[in-house]
Amino acid sequence: QITLRESGPTLVSPTQTLTLTCTFSGFSLSTNGVSVGWIRQPPGKGLERLALIYWDNDKRYNASLRARLTITKDTSRNQVVLTMTNMDPMDTGTYFCAHSPSEYRGYSFDYWGRGILVTVSS
Amino acid sequence: QSALTQPPSASGSPGQSVTMSCTGTSGDVGGYKYVSWYQQHPGKAPKLIIYEVSKRPSGVPARFSGSKSGNTASLTVSGLQVEDEADYHCTSYAGGNNFLFGGGTKLTVL
Repeated sequence: QITLRESGPTLVSPTQTLTLTCTFSGFSLSTNGVSVGWIRQPPGKGLERLALIYWDNDKRYNASLRARLTITKDTSRNQVVLTMTNMDPMDTGTYFCAHSPSEYRGYSFDYWGRGILVTVSS
Repeated sequence: QSALTQPPSASGSPGQSVTMSCTGTSGDVGGYKYVSWYQQHPGKAPKLIIYEVSKRPSGVPARFSGSKSGNTASLTVSGLQVEDEADYHCTSYAGGNNFLFGGGTKLTVL
């Protein structure tokens, strides 16, 4: 059974750096073709894909946010970490991590975490 | 790049069929087979119901079907059930490292 869980601060100040951790079980991020992504959703709005990391450490970033994002993995700890610098109130929203199996090649996500609501405010 | 266009709302009665649209351009929906649909109930994580335009993941009822014509993808829910009331989000690959989402359609089962 695949599960993912997001953790990190729920309140950050403007200009701070946000660090979120996705801890997962039920799969290995060393398995050929598997990837984990981060997706966010501002309150009452649509989804936005942020970053994706593949089993072989290949990384993909949202082009408009690329300068602010870093995604890394710790395969031995079953964790994926996302950092986003220079946080702004517009970055307020729920942040999800999600699993993409090899057959989806990172284009779709079949298992999602419950999400973590991050508020950016002074 | 602009987001994909979805109507903000749709509705139908139990047992009926409803079709929701997702309009993009030749650079995203029209140019690739990587269109997905997610169902999201309030306060919950999205659930994948269609990938690669028309494929259903294991466990998703056959009542859900996807298609594409030109730059517009569509999701049809047949035999509407009360539990189908949710937000439906479409997403498409847009080349390079780019993925676009629509704003979501709120489906109401009357």
